[in-house]
Amino acid sequence: EIVLTQSPGTLSLSPGERATLSCRASQSVDYSFLAWYQQKPGQAPRLLIYAASSRATGIPDRFSGSGSGTDFTLTIRRLEPEDFAVYYCQQYGSFPLTFGGGTKVEIK
Amino acid sequence: EVQLVQSGAEVQKPGESLRISCKTSGYSFTSFWIAWVRQMPGKGLEWMGIIYPDDSDTRYSPSFQGQVTFSVDKSISTAYLQWSSLKASDTAIYYCARIRRGGIAVAELAFWGQGTRVTVSA
Repeated sequence: EIVLTQSPGTLSLSPGERATLSCRASQSVDYSFLAWYQQKPGQAPRLLIYAASSRATGIPDRFSGSGSGTDFTLTIRRLEPEDFAVYYCQQYGSFPLTFGGGTKVEIK
Repeated sequence: EVQLVQSGAEVQKPGESLRISCKTSGYSFTSFWIAWVRQMPGKGLEWMGIIYPDDSDTRYSPSFQGQVTFSVDKSISTAYLQWSSLKASDTAIYYCARIRRGGIAVAELAFWGQGTRVTVSA
């Protein structure tokens, strides 16, 4: 099973700042099959990025993903008030599919 | 519009059985795998497994194998998650989610239900 480790656990930033979230895999993720999700309190997760760097439908271009192999990054170029949430990475390159533990982006 | 609407919150006692539902609409139910995801109180997301509604082909995460059962009813485009004997540790929110691309088991989850809260307490 691939273990995904997200860092930092919590990121304290102000609106307008840049957020950089990391997701490290215990072994290489096949085909860069890595997704990022955003979850706000009381809501279901929402797909942001798939295949490491492709934005899902309707996702603003301030969200971008990069990486391959074992190291992946989600970047939020300029934080908007609605971006403060928890972010999860997920690998779907091999069974069982696994999620990272999450990074909370909070208002500083 | 693709929609997944889950059944309401449940409060059950340990040892009881339970089935929760995920009613889908807006797409061809039999063409897309559906996943189930657990979120325990205050914790992260856990992938439980997937089911293909066309033939009920099912893949369980080892952590959930033998603990839960996935099923579907194609006539009403609905997926189910069931337990035969609940434990307190099953207390969580359970989400159903649809794979983004048709016919592919391992892919990102593009459409999510609103979640069903299950509480197991004596």
